[in-house]
Amino acid sequence: SQTIHQWPATLVQPVGSPLSLECTVEGTSNPNLYWYRQAAGRGLQLLFYSVGIGQISSEVPQNLSASRPQDRQFILSSKKLLLSDSGFYLCAWGLGGGASTDTQYFGPGTRLTVL
Amino acid sequence: AQSVTQPDIHITVSEGASLELRCNYSYGATPYLFWYVQSPGQGLQLLLKYFSGDTLVQGIKGFEAEFKRSQSSFNLRKPSVHWSDAAEYFCAVGRRSGGYQKVTFGTGTKLQVIP
Repeated sequence: SQTIHQWPATLVQPVGSPLSLECTVEGTSNPNLYWYRQAAGRGLQLLFYSVGIGQISSEVPQNLSASRPQDRQFILSSKKLLLSDSGFYLCAWGLGGGASTDTQYFGPGTRLTVL
Repeated sequence: AQSVTQPDIHITVSEGASLELRCNYSYGATPYLFWYVQSPGQGLQLLLKYFSGDTLVQGIKGFEAEFKRSQSSFNLRKPSVHWSDAAEYFCAVGRRSGGYQKVTFGTGTKLQVIP
């Protein structure tokens, strides 16, 4: 079966510091990978998605970037954090290869607080 | 563009009572529809999904949802609520976009269960 991991679970960082959040998936190959941010009362906002190694697409302009150095690894980064980057970050995976009935499965999330 | 509306921000039900959470979507074609549940500080867990076929969909934990195209709705139901069902519930609509699934989430409904 497939499992998805995220770390760290919680993170408190000062404004202006760098960020690196990691997501890994086990038990599947060539998944689609997604980063979402969840803010209170606003549902989930898609930040980035990736359909393959080195292929990253951004949904919204922001202070963050993403990378996919390996097939089942997805990293969310920032060079300098802003207060507005605080939130709950969720990674998700779905079937790749153009599957017509794709479903997204979520990791446990990372709570980021920027002070 | 697709969109999802969950008109109820917060719902309180008694344990053992029936539950219905409302979801309305906007999408030009046949949508892919999902319900997820999120406990505090956790990731999202898939309850059920609709892609095609039977409009009444059974999910995990005793939940079901009915797709009604004429009403653009996908309401979630459970005949008898348990205290452990207290959580936040998200409805989502998805569509294929290139090689990935673009999913739009509602803002969620928080369910409180009272003894």
